[in-house]
Amino acid sequence: AQSVTQLGSHVSVSEGALVLLRCNYSSSVPPYLFWYVQYPNQGLQLLLKYTTGATLVKGINGFEAEFKKSETSFHLTKPSAHMSDAAEYFCAVSGRDTGRRALTFGSGTRLQVQP
Amino acid sequence: GAGVSQSPSNKVTEKGKDVELRCDPISGHTALYWYRQRLGQGLEFLIYFQGNSAPDKSGLPSDRFSAERTGESVSTLTIQRTQQEDSAVYLCASSLDGSYNEQFFGPGTRLTVL
Repeated sequence: AQSVTQLGSHVSVSEGALVLLRCNYSSSVPPYLFWYVQYPNQGLQLLLKYTTGATLVKGINGFEAEFKKSETSFHLTKPSAHMSDAAEYFCAVSGRDTGRRALTFGSGTRLQVQP
Repeated sequence: GAGVSQSPSNKVTEKGKDVELRCDPISGHTALYWYRQRLGQGLEFLIYFQGNSAPDKSGLPSDRFSAERTGESVSTLTIQRTQQEDSAVYLCASSLDGSYNEQFFGPGTRLTVL
């Protein structure tokens, strides 16, 4: 069975600082990997995804994530935080081997950006 | 174009009553998913439709939960004899097909069971 672990339910950074949100997955075969963002009172929006090819994936709003098979990780980063980045971020996987179409989500990390 | 829409946006009901939640996916999307998000938690998968069929119902928590999809479009999630633990935001998502395409999420229905 697949699982996703997001370390840190809350992360606080200063505006302009590096954002690092951690995601580790458990799967016998590297899955498809996603990061979604949920702004207050809004639906989930896809930030970026990894399916195949280059392991460094660039997404919207300056975010990027790197798939590291040896570490079973897919951490999300942004070089310089902006106040508008304050939101909840979810890492998710879907099965490359199981054919399971549904996403398995982590429990989420709430990002707070301090002025 | 129009995104995924869900109705109602909020639903308050009394324990023991039945509720129906509706999802209108993006036109042309053949795959449709229901998820549940309890307060402070991640999303839990409930059911997946490909067309009008549901090849994966593994996330439905009990037989009080059911869902159907008609016309390869609208889907309805029904919860019978609601319990307080059913309180959550119910999210619907659709994708172009079932092959790991991006899932587009609706705004959700917030269900409160008193």
